[in-house]
Amino acid sequence: QKEVEQDPGPLSVPEGAIVSLNCTYSNSAFQYFMWYRQYSRKGPELLMYTYSSGNKEDGRFTAQVDKSSKYISLFIRDSQPSDSATYLCAMSGGGTASKLTFGTGTRLQVTL
Amino acid sequence: GAVVSQHPSWVICKSGTSVKIECRSLDFQATTMFWYRQFPKQSLMLMATSNEGSKATYEQGVEKDKFLINHASLTLSTLTVTSAHPEDSSFYICSARAEVNYGYTFGSGTRLTVV
Repeated sequence: QKEVEQDPGPLSVPEGAIVSLNCTYSNSAFQYFMWYRQYSRKGPELLMYTYSSGNKEDGRFTAQVDKSSKYISLFIRDSQPSDSATYLCAMSGGGTASKLTFGTGTRLQVTL
Repeated sequence: GAVVSQHPSWVICKSGTSVKIECRSLDFQATTMFWYRQFPKQSLMLMATSNEGSKATYEQGVEKDKFLINHASLTLSTLTVTSAHPEDSSFYICSARAEVNYGYTFGSGTRLTVV
């Protein structure tokens, strides 16, 4: 079993839809949770960062962390074609030297 | 915000030659940087953790003599692919974390093609 599970998709939604992306994990030591967006042939771009459980909102993006269920989510409201990319969840246990553990990434396609 | 600069963005080299990739933290000091490799349509695979002033820590299965990592300063880490072969062709990405209150920042990646 992988430490982090993420549905690879692809996920196709129409423009304006609400997108829900999810990851589950098994390591209870994870404390820091991140969502990255990666366009083809580019480095991952940090979208959301959350420490421990709770919700965080930034514009059209909302991140949720439920440590009791070991489940994290990213919601994208009013999705746009420019949101078409691969979304990676990632998490780590500690400080600046701690390794990141990634999900496999979900490919999202927002259609006109 | 924290910025990580990676160069070159792409490189083509002949089989048997060596290629150096640079990763710089522009507005923060990074005692630790991470090097990843990514194959098409796959997630990032951690290759090694680069530690300023000391030896890098390599993940299982990564040849340390082939992928040389140097972290000589708090803002620069380099990855050298030695005696490159076509199977080393891949997308290489570095990252660092400015503070525990921030996520990890990634470079823009280097696409290596060995011919």
